[in-house]
Amino acid sequence: KQEVTQIPAALSVPEGENLVLNCSFTDSAIYNLQWFRQDPGKGLTSLLLIQSSQREQTSGRLNASLDKSSGRSTLYIAASQPGDSATYLCAARDNYGQNFVFGPGTRLSVLP
Amino acid sequence: GAVVSQHPSRVICKSGTSVKIECRSLDFQATTMFWYRQFPKKSLMLMATSNEGSKATYEQGVEKDKFLINHASLTLSTLTVTSAHPEDSSFYICSASIWEGTQYFGPGTRLLVL
Repeated sequence: KQEVTQIPAALSVPEGENLVLNCSFTDSAIYNLQWFRQDPGKGLTSLLLIQSSQREQTSGRLNASLDKSSGRSTLYIAASQPGDSATYLCAARDNYGQNFVFGPGTRLSVLP
Repeated sequence: GAVVSQHPSRVICKSGTSVKIECRSLDFQATTMFWYRQFPKKSLMLMATSNEGSKATYEQGVEKDKFLINHASLTLSTLTVTSAHPEDSSFYICSASIWEGTQYFGPGTRLLVL
């Protein structure tokens, strides 16, 4: 059974810093891995999707990498801004293309 | 494109009543819809997967008689929380996809049972 963990659980940084969020999964037979952002009391916003055959994806200040062999993904946020404050979730989708297994999330606070 | 809506966004009900939450794919036909539940300060957990026209597949530990899922059309799935109790208070999110394609998430429904 796939298990997804995220480290750290919470992170507080000053504005302008670059930061890395970590995601680990136990079963490397994934279809894809996706990073989401969740604002308090809100739904999910998809940030980046990495297919199992890809190593990384970039969108603006965000870069996500995937290493299936080690069961890891990282989300790199460059030049953080207070508006980046949110909970970041990673989710692994199984090889049959069905449901996601979500990590517990990293709560990020970027201080002005 | 690929917008998924949920209604209502918030609902407060008395214990013992039933609550229906709708999930709609607005601009595409979703063959598969997923229902997730999020407990406070915890991650999302899949409750069930539903394919249009067939019975939903529930995850272990999810009571199918309590959480009724209907996926009657390619654009609508409903989750009914029957005889709701305070412990059912949670944030419910649906997602929709075309077969094994990208999942698009709804904005979520916050349920508070008094």
